[in-house]
Amino acid sequence: NAGVTQTPKFQVLKTGQSMTLQCAQDMNHNSMYWYRQDPGMGLRLIYYSASEGTTDKGEVPNGYNVSRLNKREFSLRLESAAPSQTSVYFCASSENFWYEQYFGPGTRLTVT
Amino acid sequence: EDKVVQSPLSLVVHEGDTVTLNCSYEVTNFRSLLWYKQEKKAPTFLFMLTSSGIEKKSGRLSSILDKKELSSILNITATQTGDSAIYLCAVSNTGNQFYFGTGTSLTVIP
Repeated sequence: NAGVTQTPKFQVLKTGQSMTLQCAQDMNHNSMYWYRQDPGMGLRLIYYSASEGTTDKGEVPNGYNVSRLNKREFSLRLESAAPSQTSVYFCASSENFWYEQYFGPGTRLTVT
Repeated sequence: EDKVVQSPLSLVVHEGDTVTLNCSYEVTNFRSLLWYKQEKKAPTFLFMLTSSGIEKKSGRLSSILDKKELSSILNITATQTGDSAIYLCAVSNTGNQFYFGTGTSLTVIP
């Protein structure tokens, strides 16, 4: 089992460009999450999908959109990237919402 | 505003020492508290706590939740260099939100 996979691993964008971060899990988990991690700020929840077919905002959703494509896949889209979105992005999944989460390896995004 | 605060921010100990990491929270409608270990990359799960006073244990690591004090501790006994990492505390509520603390950075010196 691969667990949680994320693509790409690294990305550099110019301000205003758009991109989609992909996430997939093979553990048949119901819930999936997107976080960003910034120095001194810890992990902050951007969006989550408690179950297939639902998505909801987390603590810092502005500037992002998500799609739960199916039970396995949960993508994060930046429509118009800004330097403030420079961060490491983690996708995670869990069997049910409040259970232990399994994290992907992260995407390091730099917006210039 | 809901928040999770961890202390200390960083800690340097010698191999064999015992350490206690703290997590306190102000989160409405508490559901669960989770501990994670983050080495170079992604966090990995350690414990999930939902009931007060029940200790969870795994090898040299243990954790307990005190709902009255709105806090949890993570103990590591007989520390090893492989315990060097950032330890993260997260709290979920019944409103389906997760809040992470900023973590405690532990360095174990041989």
